[in-house]
Amino acid sequence: KQEVTQIPAALSVPEGENLVLNCSFTDSAIYNLQWFRQDPGKGLTSLLLIQSSQREQTSGRLNASLDKSSGRSTLYIAASQPGDSATYLCAVRSRENAGNNRKLIWGLGTSLAVNP
Amino acid sequence: EPEVTQTPSHQVTQMGQEVILRCVPISNHLYFYWYRQILGQKVEFLVSFYNNEISEKSEIFDDQFSVERPDGSNFTLKIRSTKLEDSAMYFCASREGTVPGGELFFGEGSRLTVL
Repeated sequence: KQEVTQIPAALSVPEGENLVLNCSFTDSAIYNLQWFRQDPGKGLTSLLLIQSSQREQTSGRLNASLDKSSGRSTLYIAASQPGDSATYLCAVRSRENAGNNRKLIWGLGTSLAVNP
Repeated sequence: EPEVTQTPSHQVTQMGQEVILRCVPISNHLYFYWYRQILGQKVEFLVSFYNNEISEKSEIFDDQFSVERPDGSNFTLKIRSTKLEDSAMYFCASREGTVPGGELFFGEGSRLTVL
């Protein structure tokens, strides 16, 4: 059964620092992996989607990598800003389910605080 | 930019009451989902819906839950008799479906508080 873990649970950094958030999953048979941002009490904003055949994806100051064989993904945030403060969630779409649905399995998230 | 919209944003109800949460998925999407997040816990899958029927559901999605696509645009989640433990944020999502590994797009969520 697929399990997703995110480390650290919380992170506090000064503005301008580059940082790495980690996501690990137990079953490497995944379809893809998505990183989301969640502001307190708000919805889920998709940041990056990496297909199982890809190694990384970039969007602005964000870069996500995927090492499927070791069951790891990292989200790199360059030059962090106070506006980056949020919870970052990792979710994998496992191949374990039949059919085309392949629900997302989620981590608990990393709560990031970027201090001015 | 197309987006998934959900209503209401917050609903407070008494235990035992029926609740309907509404979602308007992105118009050309074919796959629809409900997820929920109890405060402080992981987001959990509830149900997926395709071609006017449930294609997968979790063990959480028991007989108290139902989904419907009453017309060409709305996708609803009904909880027949709410329990305290149903208090959570409920997220609707949709996916285009032409690409198997396509991205899921989520709405802003509906916060349900059961008293």
